Amino acid sequence: AQTVTQSQPEMSVQEAETVTLSCTYDTSENNYYLFWYKQPPSRQMILVIRQEAYKQQNATENRFSVNFQKAAKSFSLKISDSQLGDTAMYFCAFMKSLADGRAGNMLTFGGGTRLMVKP
Amino acid sequence: GAGVSQSPSNKVTEKGKDVELRCDPISGHTALYWYRQSLGQGLEFLIYFQGNSAPDKSGLPSDRFSAERTGGSVSTLTIQRTQQEDSAVYLCASSPDFWKGYGYTFGSGTRLTVV
Repeated sequence: AQTVTQSQPEMSVQEAETVTLSCTYDTSENNYYLFWYKQPPSRQMILVIRQEAYKQQNATENRFSVNFQKAAKSFSLKISDSQLGDTAMYFCAFMKSLADGRAGNMLTFGGGTRLMVKP
Repeated sequence: GAGVSQSPSNKVTEKGKDVELRCDPISGHTALYWYRQSLGQGLEFLIYFQGNSAPDKSGLPSDRFSAERTGGSVSTLTIQRTQQEDSAVYLCASSPDFWKGYGYTFGSGTRLTVV
């Protein structure tokens, strides 16, 4: 079974500064996907960024980037130029990659990090 | 539809009553998932549907929980004889092609409060 750990329950950052959210995971799989989801007060989970484990290059999406360290099983999220709208819960998630496609690919989530961006 | 739609948005029920939560996935999405999010916690997998295959019910916490998906589209999660520990946000998600790992599209959830 996979586990995902987010060691920072809460973080805060000043507007326009950079913040890094940590995530570690435990798996015996070699092929998998990692995700960061944002959950604002509206409750809807919004996909922020996605990384495929077989790709060494770190994924980037505008102000969001990841530092993926496969050997260390670490997947941190960096938010640059933080904005007030970035205030939300952030969840790291893991998904196995199944070759046969018969079984469901369940997302396993970490416990979340509450990020507050201060003006 | 344009997104995953869940109803009701909020539900307050008395302990011991049955409740039904509805999820309408994105049209054409073959995979549908239910998760539970207790206060301040991460997401707990409940059940998964893929096309016409038998659902993966491995995450259902007790036999009071059941779910069905009619016609490969709308899904209903039923909780019988609700208990206070069932209070949580129930999130539904759908996906067009699960094995490519594109992740899910989530609805806004149903907040269930058992009093």
